[in-house]
Amino acid sequence: DQQVKQNSPSLSVQEGRISILNCDYTNSMFDYFLWYKKYPAEGPTFLISISSIKDKNEDGRFTVFLNKSAKHLSLHIVPSQPGDSAVYFCAATTDKLIFGTGTRLQVFP
Amino acid sequence: DGGITQSPKYLFRKEGQNVTLSCEQNLNHDAMYWYRQDPGQGLRLIYYSQIVNDFQKGDIAEGYSVSREKKESFPLTVTSAQKNPTAFYLCASRVTSGGYNEQFFGPGTRLTVL
Repeated sequence: DQQVKQNSPSLSVQEGRISILNCDYTNSMFDYFLWYKKYPAEGPTFLISISSIKDKNEDGRFTVFLNKSAKHLSLHIVPSQPGDSAVYFCAATTDKLIFGTGTRLQVFP
Repeated sequence: DGGITQSPKYLFRKEGQNVTLSCEQNLNHDAMYWYRQDPGQGLRLIYYSQIVNDFQKGDIAEGYSVSREKKESFPLTVTSAQKNPTAFYLCASRVTSGGYNEQFFGPGTRLTVL
């Protein structure tokens, strides 16, 4: 039972354009949502998070939006850069951290 | 330089052999975690420990064992009972009072069972 889902396994975006990564969840008890970035053969690194009481959080080029009624989360990267190419995981917490399946983002010149 | 180390980076074992993956942290974190990553799947929690000499099963603990004799160390043993052990294993740690945005991951160990 996948409580956190990322339905797009991959995304390809041109440099300078916007990247939008999506995430859906099923458990209404999740109180905190996070995005992690992962390069091959490395551990994930924390990128940005949002509390369930907010609907938007921004940090530089990265913005996370939360739509609680739709149980939907999205990460916007503007402008996209080649160094953003990685796998992005969304995750949600109650007492444990539950990860989505990941979306591989490729930013091409 | 504080951080989490996992060794080795690549590990090969024959089927039926037990193997132990190392995880050490010098961040003075209370909680430590083991995750497994498979292609097309997210990270799944195997075991976690919030204090020394105590640990709990995660979502996929069958075929694995852990120990937490020291705060800085949380080794994971993949036993012969684990039916599909080939995967990328990640260790993580955090301060228990902190949020998961303060959870740090090690570089991972890729285990291949031949």
